[in-house]
Amino acid sequence: AQSVTQLDSQVPVFEEAPVELRCNYSSSVSVYLFWYVQYPNQGLQLLLKYLSGSTLVKGINGFEAEFNKSQTSFHLRKPSVHISDTAEYFCAVSAGNRDDKIIFGKGTRLHILP
Amino acid sequence: KAGVTQTPRYLIKTRGQQVTLSCSPISGHRSVSWYQQTPGQGLQFLFEYFSETQRNKGNFPGRFSGRQFSNSRSEMNVSTLELGDSALYLCASKLGPSTDTQYFGPGTRLTVL
Repeated sequence: AQSVTQLDSQVPVFEEAPVELRCNYSSSVSVYLFWYVQYPNQGLQLLLKYLSGSTLVKGINGFEAEFNKSQTSFHLRKPSVHISDTAEYFCAVSAGNRDDKIIFGKGTRLHILP
Repeated sequence: KAGVTQTPRYLIKTRGQQVTLSCSPISGHRSVSWYQQTPGQGLQFLFEYFSETQRNKGNFPGRFSGRQFSNSRSEMNVSTLELGDSALYLCASKLGPSTDTQYFGPGTRLTVL
């Protein structure tokens, strides 16, 4: 079975500063990895996904993530955050066969400070 | 193309009652999954339906059930509501079981008093 851990429940960062949201996963098989964002009072929106190939994945809104198999990590980064990035971010994992359900981390709330 | 829609958006019930939530997937999507989101437990998978059949099931009691209709619309039902069932219930759709990207609806906020 797969599991995912988001190490920080909240991350405060100043506007225009860089940010990294950490995600580690556990699995005995190859995995697919996802980052979703949830804005207040809304559902989840896919930011980016890793299925195979290049370990550096670029997503929407200037976010990117790097798959590191040896460290079982999939950290999300953005070089310069904006106030509109205030949201909760979820890392998710599924077994790499597309048939499996997706397991979500508990989320990291990103606070942008003016 | 319209997104995933969920009705109602907000619901207040009392303990012991039952509730039915509805989800209409994106046109052409035939797989629908349901999730429960709470501050303490985060997002937890409830079940997935495809072609009117339940394909995957999470670790929830039998009070939680669902179904899918021939037009891919899905409903979930919770019977004998408990205070702990208060949560945001999210529905997600995708083209089929073999596709990887889910699209989420805005959710139904259920409050049990």
